[in-house]
Amino acid sequence: EIVLTQSPDTLSLSPGERATLSCRASQSVSNYLGWYQQKPGQAPRLLIYDASNRATGIPARFSGSGSGTDFTLTISSLEPEDFAVYYCQQRSKWPVTFGQGTKVEIK
Amino acid sequence: QVQLVQSGAEVKKPGASVKVSCKTSGYTFSSSGISWVRQAPGQGLEWMAWISTYNGNTNYAQKFQGRVSLTTDTSTSTAYMELRSLRSDDTAVYYCARDSLGFDYWGQGTLVSVSS
Repeated sequence: EIVLTQSPDTLSLSPGERATLSCRASQSVSNYLGWYQQKPGQAPRLLIYDASNRATGIPARFSGSGSGTDFTLTISSLEPEDFAVYYCQQRSKWPVTFGQGTKVEIK
Repeated sequence: QVQLVQSGAEVKKPGASVKVSCKTSGYTFSSSGISWVRQAPGQGLEWMAWISTYNGNTNYAQKFQGRVSLTTDTSTSTAYMELRSLRSDDTAVYYCARDSLGFDYWGQGTLVSVSS
């Protein structure tokens, strides 16, 4: 199965700062990479699909890039509601797999 | 609006089975598959299985092969996930998600607790 490794595990930043989250795949997933946000007690929310496409209703401060094995989620200027756990997910090959998550916390 | 509404929390004993439902609305049921994802307490997301709501084809993670079954009822736009031979490490929140371009809509989650 394709292993997704996210870095860092935790990112400590202040509101207004830029967040850069990475996801590396153990083999190419083409552009079939998505990003999700999860807050405590809530279901995950799709932010980005196919590496760089924002899902419906997602603010423009969220952007995704990359292809093949290396991907990045960027939050251009953190809002208070952005502090959460972020997961990447590949749907290039069965089984679908998720990264272990990156927690973005308030510094 | 698209909604996925799951059945309520369950408490089961080891060795028992559980069946979780996921009732969808707001879109054409057969247009997108449904995936099931679980999350153990304090842990990450784990994909379990997928079903085509169009023809009933399924795909299961190897870890759950033989223990999980997915079905659908097209008359009520509802998907079901049954997990058998429950163990304590199956304690988790189980989510259904519409599988379109990514998992774009999720159910609210169903907590399944397994304890003797």
